[in-house]
Amino acid sequence: AQSVTQPDIHITVSEGASLELRCNYSYGATPYLFWYVQSPGQGLQLLLKYFSGDTLVQGIKGFEAEFKRSQSSFNLRKPSVHWSDAAEYFCAVGAPNRDDKIIFGKGTRLHILP
Amino acid sequence: GAGVSQSPSNKVTEKGKDVELRCDPISGHTALYWYRQRLGQGLEFLIYFQGNSAPDKSGLPSDRFSAERTGESVSTLTIQRTQQEDSAVYLCASSKQGGPTNEKLFFGSGTQLSVL
Repeated sequence: AQSVTQPDIHITVSEGASLELRCNYSYGATPYLFWYVQSPGQGLQLLLKYFSGDTLVQGIKGFEAEFKRSQSSFNLRKPSVHWSDAAEYFCAVGAPNRDDKIIFGKGTRLHILP
Repeated sequence: GAGVSQSPSNKVTEKGKDVELRCDPISGHTALYWYRQRLGQGLEFLIYFQGNSAPDKSGLPSDRFSAERTGESVSTLTIQRTQQEDSAVYLCASSKQGGPTNEKLFFGSGTQLSVL
């Protein structure tokens, strides 16, 4: 079964600074990987996903993530954060099997300093 | 429908009572998921439906929890004899087919359950 770890519970960055949120997964083969964002008072929204192919994935709102098989990681990055990026970010992993579920990490809460 | 709809949006109940939470997925979506999110915590997988069958019930915390789904439509999550530790936001999500491509999940706004 797959699992996912987000080592950082809280991250604080200044507006305009770069951002990297860490995600590590455990799965016997290449998993399907996702990043979701949960903004205050809003539902979860998909930022980006990786299934196969190019290991650098572009998403919405200027986010990108890189799949690194050797490190079992799928870290989320943004070159310059905006105050509106303050939210909770969840990494999720799915398995290429019809009956497999999607497992979420515990989340990283991003705080933005003005 | 236009999105995933959950009802009620808020439910306050007394310890020991039964509650039923409802999820209306997006029309045509065959895969449906229930997750629980305790205050300040991540999403905890509960159960996954493919059509009206549940290939994976491994996340249900105890036998007080059960879920069913009618065809490829409405799902209900029932919690019997509620306990205070059941207090959480219960999130429902649906996707077009689940499975091999594990497509994008569309989430509802959740049901905030408070057990007094």
